[in-house]
Amino acid sequence: KQEVTQIPAALSVPEGENLVLNCSFTDSAIYNLQWFRQDPGKGLTSLLLIQSSQREQTSGRLNASLDKSSGRSTLYIAASQPGDSATYLCAVPGSGNTGKLIFGQGTTLQVKP
Amino acid sequence: EAGVAQSPRYKIIEKRQSVAFWCNPISGHATLYWYQQILGQGPKLLIQFQNNGVVDDSQLPKDRFSAERLKGVDSTLKIQPAKLEDSAVYLCASRTGGSYNEQFFGPGTRLTVL
Repeated sequence: KQEVTQIPAALSVPEGENLVLNCSFTDSAIYNLQWFRQDPGKGLTSLLLIQSSQREQTSGRLNASLDKSSGRSTLYIAASQPGDSATYLCAVPGSGNTGKLIFGQGTTLQVKP
Repeated sequence: EAGVAQSPRYKIIEKRQSVAFWCNPISGHATLYWYQQILGQGPKLLIQFQNNGVVDDSQLPKDRFSAERLKGVDSTLKIQPAKLEDSAVYLCASRTGGSYNEQFFGPGTRLTVL
């Protein structure tokens, strides 16, 4: 059974700092991994989707890496801004090839001005 | 392109009452998911539809939860009767094409059961 863990659960950093969020999964037989952002009281916004054949995906100040063999992904945020404050969730496909997602519990990020 | 629409955005009910949520996926998206997100946790799948057929409802508490997707477009999720532990955000997501494709989420419905 696939399980996804995110560390740390919460993180507070000063504005401008570079930071890394971690995601680990127990079953390495995944075909992609997705990172989402969730603002308080809002739905999920997709940030990056990494296919299993890729090792990295970049979007602006965000860079996500995927290491299937070790069951890990990282989300790197460069030059953090107060507007980056949100909960970040990673998700991998569950078993059965239906596309359902198994989520971690999220990392809540606070960027202080 | 319009995103996934959900209503209502917020709902407060007493325990043992019934409630229904509505989702309109992105146009042309054949696959629709309902997830439940309890405070402090990641979303968990309740039910998945492919067009108007159920693909996976193994995690749906069928004694109180029901869902339908008539005509393969809009979907409704119902809870009857509600329990305190049903307090959560209910998220609808949709995707097109194969299971490798990205899912797009709606804003969610926040349910509070008193």
